[in-house]
Amino acid sequence: KAGVTQTPRYLIKTRGQQVTLSCSPISGHRSVSWYQQTPGQGLQFLFEYFSETQRNKGNFPGRFSGRQFSNSRSEMNVSTLELGDSALYLCASSQGQLSGNTIYFGEGSWLTVV
Amino acid sequence: GENVEQHPSTLSVQEGDSAVIKCTYSDSASNYFPWYKQELGKGPQLIIDIRSNVGEKKDQRIAVTLNKTAKHFSLHITETQPEDSAVYFCAASKGGTGGSYIPTFGRGTSLIVHP
Repeated sequence: KAGVTQTPRYLIKTRGQQVTLSCSPISGHRSVSWYQQTPGQGLQFLFEYFSETQRNKGNFPGRFSGRQFSNSRSEMNVSTLELGDSALYLCASSQGQLSGNTIYFGEGSWLTVV
Repeated sequence: GENVEQHPSTLSVQEGDSAVIKCTYSDSASNYFPWYKQELGKGPQLIIDIRSNVGEKKDQRIAVTLNKTAKHFSLHITETQPEDSAVYFCAASKGGTGGSYIPTFGRGTSLIVHP
């Protein structure tokens, strides 16, 4: 079974631009969540989508947004990029049901803002 | 909300030694505790997990113990090998009737195994 796939793996953007990251979950998984990982802040939860609806949201500004499609694939968007947005963005998927609590991470998208 | 503390932040051992990483959590309703290993340049990979109805779980050289009363859980790695060098994260979460599952992660432990 294929794992969580994230694209692109690496990207460099200029301050003020916007970026869209893509995530394909494990087949059959309906929940997709996004995390930001930085050396100083560890793994910080951005948001979670289940059946195309945002079910949970972390404490990030409105510049960070996401969506989920009917095939469970998800995208996250960051607008008006700031230098501090440089991080590894991780997508994770799970079955999203009561007993399917385990989340599985992708390899991440490395974003550098210059 | 849930708060997970993880110690130590860095752990250096000799190959063949044992390594122990400890985590504490604050929310007594948390009932699921996974551990992830993150190698350089990769995403975190689930290595073992434990649920609150179990006190200990083993998988070859790794084991996890849970003390619900004290609200702490630990990862034990025996006979460490250089390939065990990585950052390890603990997490705590609640599986419930809402179906929503958002784990809270510890800050990570960088394990270095010297050959």
